[in-house]
Amino acid sequence: EVQLVESGGGLVQPGGSLRLSCAASGFIFSSYEMSWVRQAPGKGLEWVSYISGSGSTIYYADSVKGRFTISRDNAKNSLYLQMNSLRGEDTAVYYCASVLGYGGARLFDYWGQGTLVTVSS
Amino acid sequence: SYVLTQPPSVSVAPGKTARITCGGNNIGSKSVHWYQQKPGQAPVLVIYYDSDRPSGIPERFSGSNSGNTATLIISRVEAGDEADYYCQVWDSSSDHPVFGGGTKLTVL
Repeated sequence: EVQLVESGGGLVQPGGSLRLSCAASGFIFSSYEMSWVRQAPGKGLEWVSYISGSGSTIYYADSVKGRFTISRDNAKNSLYLQMNSLRGEDTAVYYCASVLGYGGARLFDYWGQGTLVTVSS
Repeated sequence: SYVLTQPPSVSVAPGKTARITCGGNNIGSKSVHWYQQKPGQAPVLVIYYDSDRPSGIPERFSGSNSGNTATLIISRVEAGDEADYYCQVWDSSSDHPVFGGGTKLTVL
């Protein structure tokens, strides 16, 4: 059974940092591309970042570029999101999701339960 | 960047058919995926590659995609189908995924 379990969320002051983790199990983690997707309270889904299976290809949404860093440790079956210079608009539930497919047909086949990040003084 | 447009809300009576649209420039040339999200829960994939259903998703869920509009079709709607639905494509030009704004399905 595929499982994605996020952790590391919490309350942080504006300008602060937080590191999210996503523990994966039930599939060959190193073979899967992964992403972080967030959802602000009462809002829709917003893609945040993507990383290839090897970690060699990384993309970010413009809203987080230069502040967030995605990484993975395939030996530990784990995905990470280092979030720096946090702003109020980063307040959201952050989901990790596995990516299935190729090229322009890719989709998110499994999602974690999410971890809440609240940026407030 | 590529934009997907969904109606904010759709209402349907139990037993009827709900159609949720997702508009985008020449979206018919792209693969469209649909997610269902119930309150307090993570999204769940319900349709992929325009019209395929993952295992465990009822046959009542189907999809189509042509021209500038993709459509999620839910037949014989049940109270348990009440949720937010999101369409998604992967924009080849930016190599980034794009979500529609979401549609809240209300079962009357």
